[in-house]
Amino acid sequence: EPEVTQTPSHQVTQMGQEVILRCVPISNHLYFYWYRQILGQKVEFLVSFYNNEISEKSEIFDDQFSVERPDGSNFTLKIRSTKLEDSAMYFCATRTGGISGANVLTFGAGSRLTVL
Amino acid sequence: GIQVEQSPPDLILQEGANSTLRCNFSDSVNNLQWFHQNPWGQLINLFYIPSGTKQNGRLSATTVATERYSLLYISSSQTTDSGVYFCAERTPYGGATNKLIFGTGTLLAVQP
Repeated sequence: EPEVTQTPSHQVTQMGQEVILRCVPISNHLYFYWYRQILGQKVEFLVSFYNNEISEKSEIFDDQFSVERPDGSNFTLKIRSTKLEDSAMYFCATRTGGISGANVLTFGAGSRLTVL
Repeated sequence: GIQVEQSPPDLILQEGANSTLRCNFSDSVNNLQWFHQNPWGQLINLFYIPSGTKQNGRLSATTVATERYSLLYISSSQTTDSGVYFCAERTPYGGATNKLIFGTGTLLAVQP
């Protein structure tokens, strides 16, 4: 079964450092998302990306965050200057698009970010 | 925006017991998914069920779109069923994103 692949699985960084989380979407998927889950809390939407641009972002997704798809394959989330409160599990999710019943969001296994 | 509420917030079962988890929505159901988050944090998609009933082994789900709720049934529970169960509803089709809004989850612990 096709998978969404995320790397790294776990990253520990110092406050103020830049972090890049990577996602390899399922090959025929067109819509890409990043979600965040702080420990013990629910999963929150960060940003959606389609046709090489952001289609929507949440209040959480401030100027410290950016996304891009540099090579048509990887989909990355960059945090420029990490803060303690950025510690969370970050999930990449993708879907094919369209209005069919197969329009299901598939999640990667997550990247756990710990900011010290 | 869409509000998604889940109940109960936590549940302890003995192995072999059955359970029902509930998900209520503030808006019309457009795209509903149930997920299981295992102890390693992975989100496993269980069902895509905007309406009707589906079954997959010991799990089944029913969504009553007109009444804005969905139920997840777990029968003959096993310790490997432990974890957090999330339902998530998509913003109505035609919006800019069709993003999923997650509920607060039900923490299930199945004891041997």
